[in-house]
This record gives sequence, structure tokens and C-alpha cells, in this order.
Amino acid sequence: EAGVAQSPRYKIIEKRQSVAFWCNPISGHATLYWYQQILGQGPKLLIQFQNNGVVDDSQLPKDRFSAERLKGVDSTLKIQPAKLEDSAVYLCASSLDPTRLSTDTQYFGPGTRLTVL
Amino acid sequence: DAKTTQPNSMESNEEEPVHLPCNHSTISGTDYIHWYRQLPSQGPEYVIHGLTSNVNNRMASLAIAEDRKSSTLILHRATLRDAAVYYCILRDRATSGTYKYIFGTGTRLKVLA
Repeated sequence: EAGVAQSPRYKIIEKRQSVAFWCNPISGHATLYWYQQILGQGPKLLIQFQNNGVVDDSQLPKDRFSAERLKGVDSTLKIQPAKLEDSAVYLCASSLDPTRLSTDTQYFGPGTRLTVL
Repeated sequence: DAKTTQPNSMESNEEEPVHLPCNHSTISGTDYIHWYRQLPSQGPEYVIHGLTSNVNNRMASLAIAEDRKSSTLILHRATLRDAAVYYCILRDRATSGTYKYIFGTGTRLKVLA
């Protein structure tokens, strides 16, 4: 079974530029997550999609960050314009059904390391 | 905020058992305890989860206290490949009815050869 794919793996931009990250989740997984991981911290959830719809974007800085999930499969996360504090690893994850009370494992991609100069 | 508390770092000798503690004093009756680990330059990966009873799988064992306010992840024989940050997570219920993970800073495990 193929895992979660992300690209690019690394990106260096200057502040005020724009950047986009792409994620392809595991086939059949209804839920897709974007996390931001700043060095030395645990991942922080930015946005969660259930199929095409957003179910949680409470931590997404909406003035500069946007995300979409095309046809309930691939997703892109965009930052426009980037700030120095956006330097982090951006992780994408997917899961089958997080509404299950018992458990639902999240599968993470390798992440995109963003450096904003 | 993360609902769990873990030591920042721990060390272990190779091929010895490792016990990674986690406190979750505000756990509710329906919260499952999840453990993930993050190897260097990789995304987190699932390790184990449990509700009340102790759990074993090929990677680790999870011992849950009787009052469920703490748990311990046990690696029976640590290898150099087990060097990672280990996260103990309780899921948080979103208003949408789904669940989401709130990661803390985890425990960085160093394995000495």
C-alpha cells in the first residue's frame, strides 16, 4: 500500500513570496490533515478535511494560509505572503474515518521543510 | 492545549528495555491513549493505542494504570533505530464530531550503543 505522498520535500523562499505544497493521501482515506511543525515542537493541526469539506480550520491563519482538497483526494496548502515565522515542516496525514470512537490511525507523509529567508 | 505530560528526554542503552511514561490526569472515560513516534526527518508513525487494558503489538507494549491517569510505553529491547521523539496523545473531539490529535512536545529517546 502506497503511503502519503508530499511534494516538494524542501523549499526555500524569501519573505513575502508565495509557496504551495501538495499532498496525495492514501487511497480510500476520507480524511486529510495538514499540520505545521516548528523546530522542537510537536505537530500542530492547521486544517482537517472530510472528503471535500473542511471540518476544522480553527488553527489556520486565514489571512495568509489557504487550503483546498480537489475532488476529495489530493490537497494543496498555500501560503501567501510568507513570513519568517512560517519556517517549519508542513506535514500531511490521512485517515479512514476519524468519527469512530475507538480509534482511527493517522498516516503521515514525510513532510515539506519550508525555510523563509 | 495538549492533554498529556511527558518528560522532555530519556536515554537508554541498546538492547535494554525502555519505559516511557505519560501522565494524562484529565482523561475521560472514552478517551483512547495513542502513541506515535517520529524518527529524524520523517513524519510521525503509529506505535500503539489502548483504552483500559494493557496492549501488545510487534513494536511495543502499552501499560495503562488502573485509574487511567497515566500510561507507560514499553520498548522491550531498544535498538538504535528506536531513537525518536515519542508522543503520547489523547484525541480531542472537534465540533464537527470528528476527532483530532493534540500533540505535545513528546519525549526524545536517545539510544546509546
